Amino acid sequence: GQNIDQPTEMTATEGAIVQINCTYQTSGFNGLFWYQQHAGEAPTFLSYNVLDGLEEKGRFSSFLSRSKGYSYLLLKELQMKDSASYLCAVDTGTASKLTFGTGTRLQVTL
Amino acid sequence: EAQVTQNPRYLITVTGKKLTVTCSQNMNHEYMSWYRQDPGLGLRQIYYSMNVEVTDKGDVPEGYKVSRKEKRNFPLILESPSPNQTSLYFCASNEGGADTEAFFGQGTRLTVV
Repeated sequence: GQNIDQPTEMTATEGAIVQINCTYQTSGFNGLFWYQQHAGEAPTFLSYNVLDGLEEKGRFSSFLSRSKGYSYLLLKELQMKDSASYLCAVDTGTASKLTFGTGTRLQVTL
Repeated sequence: EAQVTQNPRYLITVTGKKLTVTCSQNMNHEYMSWYRQDPGLGLRQIYYSMNVEVTDKGDVPEGYKVSRKEKRNFPLILESPSPNQTSLYFCASNEGGADTEAFFGQGTRLTVV
């Protein structure tokens, strides 16, 4: 089966840096996504990694290590609007299926 | 504006009464999919379609049907809804396959009593 693990909840302070980890054990791997989902809203795309290494996009960066089955999302200069759930998802390469983790709820405090 | 539109946004229905949730995208995407989202379980794929008349089961297809007669539309059909299908449903479309960015609809909150 497919297994994707993320912490359930995290809390961080405005202006700080937070790292959200995702580990996966899947039957195949064709890339890893991070999505952001505010409460009651649709998920929106943040990043995609298929090769090992760090992808930087403004305040958000995502890292992938395929040999370790590990990724993280790094959020810098946290803002209150970053309070949301962050979803890790793996394209297992099997019949074009995308498998999601259960998500990490991030609360940013003053 | 590029978007995925789902209707209705909210629906309360009774057990056994057939219903359809519509999904339409205006981006000419080939790949579309349906997910349900439940607390503690995350997003789980119900069905997906790689093109017109091509559909396949996701991880939790039981109790659902789909059709893809036109590229833009991908309705989700519950022939005989049951309370365990109470959930938040999302439709999504991708330009390519599952390895491309997914654009999600605003969600349909379904309650089956």
